[in-house]
Amino acid sequence: ETGVTQSPTHLIKTRGQQVTLRCSSQSGHNTVSWYQQALGQGPQFIFQYYREEENGRGNFPPRFSGLQFPNYSSELNVNALELDDSALYLCASSLNREWTGELFFGEGSRLTVL
Amino acid sequence: GESVGLHLPTLSVQEGDNSIINCAYSNSASDYFIWYKQESGKGPQFIIDIRSNMDKRQGQRVTVLLNKTVKHLSLQIAATQPGDSAVYFCAENTPGVKAAGNKLTFGGGTRVLVKP
Repeated sequence: ETGVTQSPTHLIKTRGQQVTLRCSSQSGHNTVSWYQQALGQGPQFIFQYYREEENGRGNFPPRFSGLQFPNYSSELNVNALELDDSALYLCASSLNREWTGELFFGEGSRLTVL
Repeated sequence: GESVGLHLPTLSVQEGDNSIINCAYSNSASDYFIWYKQESGKGPQFIIDIRSNMDKRQGQRVTVLLNKTVKHLSLQIAATQPGDSAVYFCAENTPGVKAAGNKLTFGGGTRVLVKP
């Protein structure tokens, strides 16, 4: 167990809808990163949050947005869902933004867009 | 863009044999590499890591080798067990200004199947 918890574990949405995914980081970790993992592929970096601010972003459109709260938990929001957004969304926490070590991943939220 | 890739998508191994999983990376500026194991329905689990100032690192039954000359990374699993069946990903740290230290670029993964 990594101490990183994500919710919901599974959800189904239709095209055009919006979704919010949630993540609680490991105790003592102030940095949260979100990754998208399509079926049969490796995770792709979406963005990272450090002390409630976005601290780096991958190649994802603006309809992917996030929040980090004072307790370092985080949300990933996706607007105007598309079929290709169907994936496992992984949250990873780390000690701080300068940390170049192990990321601790949650079990993920599997999103299906119909 | 820069990416990390794997040579073999599936590796079948007899229980008790050694496994070798290979990975090529393209960003010569990468300074940190990690191997993750992902079982079905679970998130990636850390196995072992190595920094660019090393060429070998050993853990419990696992060894990671780094060849910076040819930008190649490998994971060796000794005495492979049924519990080692999973998808294995290599990942590299992508140095950057805003996401320093925590942005990982993952390869496509290799599935390891352990035969009894």
